[in-house]
Formats: sequence, structure tokens, C-alpha cells
Amino acid sequence: EPEVTQTPSHQVTQMGQEVILRCVPISNHLYFYWYRQILGQKVEFLVSFYNNEISEKSEIFDDQFSVERPDGSNFTLKIRSTKLEDSAMYFCASSPNQWGVETQYFGPGTRLLVL
Amino acid sequence: QKEVEQNSGPLSVPEGAIASLNCTYSDRVSQSFFWYRQYSGKSPELIMSIYSNGDKEDGRFTAQLNKASQYVSLLIRDSQPSDSATYLCAVILNTGNQFYFGTGTSLTVIP
Repeated sequence: EPEVTQTPSHQVTQMGQEVILRCVPISNHLYFYWYRQILGQKVEFLVSFYNNEISEKSEIFDDQFSVERPDGSNFTLKIRSTKLEDSAMYFCASSPNQWGVETQYFGPGTRLLVL
Repeated sequence: QKEVEQNSGPLSVPEGAIASLNCTYSDRVSQSFFWYRQYSGKSPELIMSIYSNGDKEDGRFTAQLNKASQYVSLLIRDSQPSDSATYLCAVILNTGNQFYFGTGTSLTVIP
């Protein structure tokens, strides 16, 4: 069964450093999403991406965040200068159509710890 | 005002009982509602979606939507220990196209 994969599973970084979280969406999917979940808190939408551009973003997704699809398979989330409060689980998701939630698949997540 | 609200629980039910999970949302004109299950340390997985007032059944799960009361619920019949997880309510608000999750309700099914 196809699945969304994410690397790394865990990332530890120093405050102020840049991190890149990687996702490989399901191959025939067209819409890609990033969410984050701070420990013990709710899942929060960050951004959606379609046709090589951002289609929707939340207030959380400020200038320190960026997304990119550098090739035909990877979808990345970059945090330019990490803060302590960026520590969270980051989930990537993909779907064949916009907000196709019946077929929106979540990846296993990357746990980011900023020290 | 929070967009999506759930009781955090924990909710405990004996095996075989009905578990009832509730969710309210702020945007009266929201159209799309979802229940996800999340095991500890894992990613959310979709259980059900519901778009129209009334009940929608899928196996042991029934979603109920009341748009007038801005209320959506999930019933789990014949609860099993494997149902023990956090259940997340999610709504696409009509004010935009963003996907809002509630904080989740922790369910424990006691064998």
C-alpha cells in the first residue's frame, strides 16, 4: 500500500539553526500539506501546496518557514532560524485532490527538538 | 473563541460499551467535518467524514452532525481495547479553506 514517508524521524537542533524536514508524498498525489503538533496540544495546519506554489497557509507559517518541491518526489519544510517553540512533531500529508480528506494520507511525522 | 472544541477527557468505558465523543465548532457555515484517531506518538488516521445533518454509520462507528447546534459527535459501539486512543475532531471552516483540529479526547477502553 502506498504511503507518505518522512525523514528524519527525529531531529535535534540548536536554537537559531536552520532545519529541513523532508517528505515523500504518495506518487500520484497532487496536494501536499504540512501540520505540526506541539506535545500535548492539537494538530495545527501550517500550509498547503499545489502546482508548485502555496495554496493556503496559516498564521503560524510566517517568514521563517518555507516549503519547496525540489524534484518530482520530495516535499520539504524549511525552518530558517529555529526557536525553542518550534519543538513539535511535524506531519506531512498528501492527497490526490484538494482537501481530499477521504484520501488524505499522513506521514509518520518528524519529531523536532530545538535546544 | 476556539474554532473547534472537544472535552480532553480522559474518557473511560468498559469493553463492549458505547463510547460517545463530542465536538463543537464556531463557524456556523462550516460544511465539512471529520473524525481522526491518533495513537500515542503516531500520526492521525481518518475514521469518518460527515457533511450532512444526521447520522452516518461505518461499521462500529457512527458520526452525528447537527449544524444548527454546531455539534458533531462520534459513537463507537462495542468498544474494544484497541480503540484506546485520542480522537480528534476536525473541521474545514467556511471562513477559509484551512483544516482545524480540536485538541482531542483521550479514550481508554477497559478490558
